[in-house]
Amino acid sequence: AQKVTQAQTEISVVEKEDVTLDCVYETRDTTYYLFWYKQPPSGELVFLIRRNSFDEQNEISGRYSWNFQKSTSSFNFTITASQVVDSAVYFCALSINAGGTSYGKLTFGQGTILTVHP
Amino acid sequence: NAGVTQTPKFRILKIGQSMTLQCAQDMNHNYMYWYRQDPGMGLKLIYYSVGAGITDKGEVPNGYNVSRSTTEDFPLRLELAAPSQTSVYFCASSYSSYNSPLHFGNGTRLTVT
Repeated sequence: AQKVTQAQTEISVVEKEDVTLDCVYETRDTTYYLFWYKQPPSGELVFLIRRNSFDEQNEISGRYSWNFQKSTSSFNFTITASQVVDSAVYFCALSINAGGTSYGKLTFGQGTILTVHP
Repeated sequence: NAGVTQTPKFRILKIGQSMTLQCAQDMNHNYMYWYRQDPGMGLKLIYYSVGAGITDKGEVPNGYNVSRSTTEDFPLRLELAAPSQTSVYFCASSYSSYNSPLHFGNGTRLTVT
């Protein structure tokens, strides 16, 4: 069975601080994708990034960066110079291939509530 | 582009009542999903569908039913509502299988009292 663990339930920072959200996953499948989603206070779920299990390159998009390490089964998310608009719940999720039988089902972590204070 | 549309946005049910949560997508996606979100629990998969006429159970299917008569629509039926079904329900769709991001609707907040 798959499992995704987000160690931090809640994080509170002051604007312009850097913050890292941790994500650890478990799967026996060797072919999988990892995702991060953002859920702002308005409630919708917004896709941020995906990373496949064969690509361990880190990625940077503006103030956002992601660090994928297969050796530690982690896919951490860092926000640099945080802003109030970054306040949201962030979810890490895992989708396995399972020989083509998983049908895109996502296993979610429990989410990290990030609050950025002005 | 409408994307994934869910109705209603809010609903209050009394114990034992039934209702259908509607979900429609206009992206011609084959894969559709229903998740529920409970505080501090992440999202749990209720049912999913890989195409018209094909549905299957997810992690928490008890108390729910689905149908998929068209590619566009994937309604979720609650029979005999119980307080444990108080949750936020999200419908989602995706273009492909495990490597595609899900497109989510805006959610339905359901309260059963």
